Amino acid sequence: KAGVTQTPRYLIKTRGQQVTLSCSPISGHRSVSWYQQTPGQGLQFLFEYFSETQRNKGNFPGRFSGRQFSNSRSEMNVSTLELGDSALYLCASSSGTGTGYTFGSGTRLTVV
Amino acid sequence: GESVGLHLPTLSVQEGDNSIINCAYSNSASDYFIWYKQESGKGPQFIIDIRSNMDKRQGQRVTVLLNKTVKHLSLQIAATQPGDSAVYFCAEIKDSNYQLIWGAGTKLIIKP
Repeated sequence: KAGVTQTPRYLIKTRGQQVTLSCSPISGHRSVSWYQQTPGQGLQFLFEYFSETQRNKGNFPGRFSGRQFSNSRSEMNVSTLELGDSALYLCASSSGTGTGYTFGSGTRLTVV
Repeated sequence: GESVGLHLPTLSVQEGDNSIINCAYSNSASDYFIWYKQESGKGPQFIIDIRSNMDKRQGQRVTVLLNKTVKHLSLQIAATQPGDSAVYFCAEIKDSNYQLIWGAGTKLIIKP
């Protein structure tokens, strides 16, 4: 079965712009989580959605937002981009319980 | 705040030897502890997990040990192979939280 698909793979944006990243979970999975990975801060939790509802949110500013659609696909949006937002953004899907998280290959965002 | 951390940033091991990767955690309330492997250009890949009420779990060539007394987690890889080269992360999660808390990562290097 198909894995977790994240698009685009690479993105270059200018400071002040906004960006939308997409994640298609494994078929049948209703939970999608987003993580930011940077060399300095490691992997940090952004938010998690289950059946279109945000169940948990990490400690990121309001510029970071997300949503989930009825087909479980999820998007995350970052507005007013800053240089420090440059990172690998990872999406993980799961059934919603337990530890069975499957990660996509990520979207590499570079802010210049 | 609560965190999961790793003792060593880099570990070099001779091919064929056993590898032991360590992790210290601080949140005693976590329900699961998980090991992930991340290869270059890919998202984290699940290796093995252990529930907090267990102290040992074995998989194929891997064993996870959990010592709750000293809040220590380890991953043992038997007969290390070149394909084991990657960064290994420990993570923890509480069932009701839907949020993985990650360690800093250990880079495993296999010497021929």
